[in-house]
Amino acid sequence: ELKVEQNPLFLSMQEGKNYTIYCNYSTTSDRLYWYRQDPGKSLESLFVLLSNGAVKQEGRLMASLDTKARLSTLHITAAVHDLSATYFCVVVGPGTASKLTFGTGTRLQVTL
Amino acid sequence: DAGVIQSPRHEVTEMGQEVTLRCKPISGHDYLFWYRQTMMRGLELLIYFNNNVPIDDSGMPEDRFSAKMPNASFSTLKIQPSEPRDSAVYFCASSSPGTANYGYTFGSGTRLTVV
Repeated sequence: ELKVEQNPLFLSMQEGKNYTIYCNYSTTSDRLYWYRQDPGKSLESLFVLLSNGAVKQEGRLMASLDTKARLSTLHITAAVHDLSATYFCVVVGPGTASKLTFGTGTRLQVTL
Repeated sequence: DAGVIQSPRHEVTEMGQEVTLRCKPISGHDYLFWYRQTMMRGLELLIYFNNNVPIDDSGMPEDRFSAKMPNASFSTLKIQPSEPRDSAVYFCASSSPGTANYGYTFGSGTRLTVV
C-alpha cells in the first residue's frame, strides 16, 4: 500500500523567511503533485513532477523530486502572508491508473 | 470551462435520511473521482470511474454508500441511510491523461452535516 508522509504537519513562519516542506512516499511513483487548499475551499494544483530531478518553480514556491530517494520537497522563499494555506503532496502509484494518494498535509501559517 | 461542478454546496440532514451528492466533470475528462475529507482521516479516495465504469471502489466505507456514473457528464454519490459519522466534505475531481501535465481538477466540494 502506497503511503505518503509529509513533515512538518504544521509550520508557523515569519514573513520573509525560507523553509522547506518534505514529502516521503513508500513505493515507486509514476508522478507527484503538490496541491494547495485554503480553509473551507477546494484544492488547487500547484505543480506536477514527472521524472527524477524535476524542478518546478512558481513565484515563491519551488518543488523538486528525487525518485531514487522517494522524496519531494516544496521550498518556500521569502514567505508572505498570502501563502498561508495547507499544502498536500499527492502521489500516483504504479499500476494504479490515475489513483491519487494524499499526504497528511502541511498547514502553513505565515505571520507578520 | 466552468470546471468541476458539485451540488449542493452544503447539505444538512437528519440521521437515517438519504443523501445524494452530484458532480459534473470537465467535458472531455474520462476519469472521475470521489474523495472525502475529514479532520481525523484527511483526504480519502472513495471510488473512481474511467469512461463511466467504476474501477476501484475499495474506499467506499460500507454498503450504505453507492456511486453511479450514468454518462460522461454526471455522477452521483448516495448515502442511505446517513449517519453522523458521514459528516465530512466530499470532493469530486476529474482528469484526463490527455490533459497537459495530467491535471486533476477538483470541484468546490459538498459539506455534509448529518445530525
